Amino acid sequence: QKEVEQDPGPLSVPEGAIVSLNCTYSNSAFQYFMWYRQYSRKGPELLMYTYSSGNKEDGRFTAQVDKSSKYISLFIRDSQPSDSATYLCAMGVLAGTALIFGKGTTLSVSS
Amino acid sequence: DSGVTQTPKHLITATGQRVTLRCSPRSGDLSVYWYQQSLDQGLQFLIQYYNGEERAKGNILERFSAQQFPDLHSELNLSSLELGDSALYFCASSVGGGTTDTQYFGPGTRLTVL
Repeated sequence: QKEVEQDPGPLSVPEGAIVSLNCTYSNSAFQYFMWYRQYSRKGPELLMYTYSSGNKEDGRFTAQVDKSSKYISLFIRDSQPSDSATYLCAMGVLAGTALIFGKGTTLSVSS
Repeated sequence: DSGVTQTPKHLITATGQRVTLRCSPRSGDLSVYWYQQSLDQGLQFLIQYYNGEERAKGNILERFSAQQFPDLHSELNLSSLELGDSALYFCASSVGGGTTDTQYFGPGTRLTVL
């Protein structure tokens, strides 16, 4: 079993839809959770991070962590064509250095 | 623009050859990370350097090596190249060397091995 699992999609939604992106993980030592966004032919960029279970909001984006289920989610409200990208989850141990990334979910938002 | 630069952007070479990828971190960042991204494996951590010293090693093959120089730029050397080494190679940098330090990624080097 891989440490981090992420459905690669692709996921296609109309503009304005609510998008849910998810990752599951197996290592209970993970304490730091991130979502990166990667546009085509670009490097990943950090979108959001959270340390604990619960929700964290930033504008149209909400990151959710459920440590008991080893499940993290990213919700995008009122999705825009500019949100079309690959979204990668990443996680790590607080005292560690290396991040483990999911394979990424490709999202396409049509206008 | 993340402030991390990588050269070259594209590299096409033959099996058995050796190549060097170069990375310049953001000004002030002491840590450099190397990643390999392929369709089947996703983004895989290879190696991390912090202020010239190796800090962490991931899934890096013995044919691959890296170093960080006194001016903090880093090079990733790939030798005895195989078809399966074709991938995007990203460099990232951060101020510190811990998990919670935000990593800023460069634009990547696309390596094609023929």
